[in-house]
Amino acid sequence: QVQLVESGGGVVQPGRSLRLSCAASGFIFSSYGMHWVRQAPGRGLEWVAFIWYDGTNKYYGDSVKGRFTISRDNSKDILYLHMNNLKAADTGVYYCARVSRQWLLTGWFDPWGQGTRVTVSS
Amino acid sequence: DIVMTQTPLSLPVTPGEPASISCRSSQSLLDSHDGSPHLDWYLQKTGQSPQLLIYRSSYRASGVPDRFSGSGSATDFTLKISRVEAEDVGVYYCLQRMAFPYTFGQGTKLEIK
Repeated sequence: QVQLVESGGGVVQPGRSLRLSCAASGFIFSSYGMHWVRQAPGRGLEWVAFIWYDGTNKYYGDSVKGRFTISRDNSKDILYLHMNNLKAADTGVYYCARVSRQWLLTGWFDPWGQGTRVTVSS
Repeated sequence: DIVMTQTPLSLPVTPGEPASISCRSSQSLLDSHDGSPHLDWYLQKTGQSPQLLIYRSSYRASGVPDRFSGSGSATDFTLKISRVEAEDVGVYYCLQRMAFPYTFGQGTKLEIK
């Protein structure tokens, strides 16, 4: 079945870096665009970043632009989120989500992973 | 950026009664080519990841009970539950996919009275 499994979260000091991974299985990963969405503790959902199925185009939320980089390895079926210069406001659960259908440049998010928790604290 | 405004933020409902959540966007969410709305609804149950409920404003996702329905125009959208059940408890979010950065509504917390 289609599955997304995030990993790489943890506790990190402000200003440091972290790389999150999202391992995909059960579908042809290289055919689907992928998103990162995050949720601060007790808060709502915030869209973070999107990458086309072939990695040629990437888009970012205003609060992470210039600090975060989304990437993918289609040979390994893994999505990444490289997070630099982390701030306390980046604390939260990070979810990866797949675009609903193959080759679409925009589409509803389905499915979602279970999330990985990032805590930025000194 | 497109601003998504959800109301109400809290929604206590008696089981068996209907419920309605509104989502308003600061710009039209209608696709310029086919007129379809780039607006989806998601439900996040406590301790779980969000799950797709409704896509393109009015299409139920696979496995979603038919008591859930969505409707809307260019900037005003509504999620309705015809008869609320205990399992419907959680936070409901609308999402606009019209333009980057994508934006979610603030979320509506549905609880059982």
